[in-house]
Amino acid sequence: DAGITQSPRHKVTETGTPVTLRCHQTENHRYMYWYRQDPGHGLRLIHYSYGVKDTDKGEVSDGYSVSRSKTEDFLLTLESATSSQTSVYFCAISGRDTQYFGPGTRLTVL
Amino acid sequence: GESVGLHLPTLSVQEGDNSIINCAYSNSASDYFIWYKQESGKGPQFIIDIRSNMDKRQGQRVTVLLNKTVKHLSLQIAATQPGDSAVYFCAENMDSNYQLIWGAGTKLIIKP
Repeated sequence: DAGITQSPRHKVTETGTPVTLRCHQTENHRYMYWYRQDPGHGLRLIHYSYGVKDTDKGEVSDGYSVSRSKTEDFLLTLESATSSQTSVYFCAISGRDTQYFGPGTRLTVL
Repeated sequence: GESVGLHLPTLSVQEGDNSIINCAYSNSASDYFIWYKQESGKGPQFIIDIRSNMDKRQGQRVTVLLNKTVKHLSLQIAATQPGDSAVYFCAENMDSNYQLIWGAGTKLIIKP
């Protein structure tokens, strides 16, 4: 987890409310990723970024948006949270091939 | 579609024995493979990687074997310890935007 922090670490929210998760890195890596992890599905890519203001969709991007205004920060936003978005969210960074992961954010949508 | 998968969802091993976790991949164009360890409540942790121009790579107590002929990857853990209990994921890198394709994971259980 060195060099990668996620905030908040835990959040409980209600259906229909907006939620923003933050990933912060101190490694100056170009690539950043958001994954969600659910039982029986392993890790699934939501969005990724290949530079400041450069982002692209992953396999489960519906209902999520991202922004990257600085190299060190990658934000994941749920515009209107739904119960199906209850999950553990991981941020990852990479400079080349290997991805390194943050500690995760446990999000519960009631 | 292309995928990376695991043969066994759960593996139970006696403490002190060697563990072997297997992974199958289907894309012969993949050129980089990674094993991750995930302990309960934590993010995946990099263990070891291997490129397609190699068939074996060793780390501290871990060895990764790559068989390109049958598209098979394995992780060997020597002298398994209680701290090795975790879920192990293989991942495959096959394109230029550095996305990984993930297997579902194998849970390693250590018996005392």
